[in-house]
Amino acid sequence: AQSVTQLDSHVSVSEGTPVLLRCNYSSSYSPSLFWYVQHPNKGLQLLLKYTSAATLVKGINGFEAEFKKSETSFHLTKPSAHMSDAAEYFCVVSEWGGADGLTFGKGTHLIIQP
Amino acid sequence: GAVVSQHPSRVICKSGTSVKIECRSLDFQATTMFWYRQFPKQSLMLMATSNEGSKATYEQGVEKDKFLINHASLTLSTLTVTSAHPEDSSFYICSAIDYPSSYEQYFGPGTRLTVT
Repeated sequence: AQSVTQLDSHVSVSEGTPVLLRCNYSSSYSPSLFWYVQHPNKGLQLLLKYTSAATLVKGINGFEAEFKKSETSFHLTKPSAHMSDAAEYFCVVSEWGGADGLTFGKGTHLIIQP
Repeated sequence: GAVVSQHPSRVICKSGTSVKIECRSLDFQATTMFWYRQFPKQSLMLMATSNEGSKATYEQGVEKDKFLINHASLTLSTLTVTSAHPEDSSFYICSAIDYPSSYEQYFGPGTRLTVT
């Protein structure tokens, strides 16, 4: 069985400051991990994915995440927040590289203060 | 990138009626499609997995007689909510992959179902 825990339901940062969205996972296998973003009234968009290659993964829009097996974590970061980053973010785990039904975390709502 | 569409985007139906939601892969062949359900301000929960030409595999706790899934072609899957009740009101999202050519799931924009 696999699971994902997003440690914060809401995160609020000021524009131009760093963003940290925390995610811990549990998996019986070597998992693949993803971060998706969901803007209001839009479909889910893949930000980045880890599939057992480099542990530091760079994604779109300046986001990156680091896979830490010892801590079972996959936190999402961005050096400088932009107003357009305001959205819901989901940490996701897969046991088949993304080709199986995905297990989603509960989501973190990112708020950007002007 | 690959595009997945859903139709309708919103639907309101009366309790006891059935409603069909379509999921289409527009520019690739989807060997596998997934259906998820998202409750307000909550996460997505996998409902079922469907492979083209095969019966869908439902997750534990999902009523297969209530949520009928058909994946008759490589570009179309349908979810029919039968005898809908207000508790079926939710946001339904599909995704599709062209496995094994690709492992990436492409998501549709979702369908908001409201049962009155």
